[in-house]
Amino acid sequence: AQSVTQLGSHVSVSEGALVLLRCNYSSSVPPYLFWYVQYPNQGLQLLLKYTSAATLVKGINGFEAEFKKSETSFHLTKPSAHMSDAAEYFCAVSGIGNTPLVFGKGTRLSVIA
Amino acid sequence: GAGVSQSPSNKVTEKGKDVELRCDPISGHTALYWYRQRLGQGLEFLIYFQGNSAPDKSGLPSDRFSAERTGESVSTLTIQRTQQEDSAVYLCASSPRTSGRVDTQYFGPGTRLTVL
Repeated sequence: AQSVTQLGSHVSVSEGALVLLRCNYSSSVPPYLFWYVQYPNQGLQLLLKYTSAATLVKGINGFEAEFKKSETSFHLTKPSAHMSDAAEYFCAVSGIGNTPLVFGKGTRLSVIA
Repeated sequence: GAGVSQSPSNKVTEKGKDVELRCDPISGHTALYWYRQRLGQGLEFLIYFQGNSAPDKSGLPSDRFSAERTGESVSTLTIQRTQQEDSAVYLCASSPRTSGRVDTQYFGPGTRLTVL
């Protein structure tokens, strides 16, 4: 069985500040991990994914995430927040192949000018 | 190229009515998924189609929910005798089939269903 926990349903940061969105997973098989972003009234867009190649994964829009097996974590970071980063962020886990994703409940990021 | 499309974008219905939601996946994608996103919740898996294999229906919440897919193209999610708790955004995603790898799922914009 797989599950994802996202700590903090709402995170607020100042423009230019570090963004840190937390994700912890549970998986009985080697996990594949994803971060998706959802802008208001839009579908989900993939930010980045971990597929066991490298533990530090770089994604779009300056985001990156580090897979830490010992901590069962896959936290999302960005050095400097921009107003356009305000959105809902979802962490997800799956097994190998085209299996359905198991999502966390999401974290809403607000960026304050 | 074109992404995943869904119709309608919004649907308001009365309790007890049946609704049909449509998904057009990206051309050439063999896998298709339906998820549900209720207010304040993450996405819940509903059903998964992979090529000509039997669909994985393990996420369907009740027998009022069903889905069909024509070959590797359009899919329709049907909810019979809708209830207020069915109100949610229904998201469709598709992905290519690459054996032994983990493919990205590409999501449509969703259908917002409101049951009065």
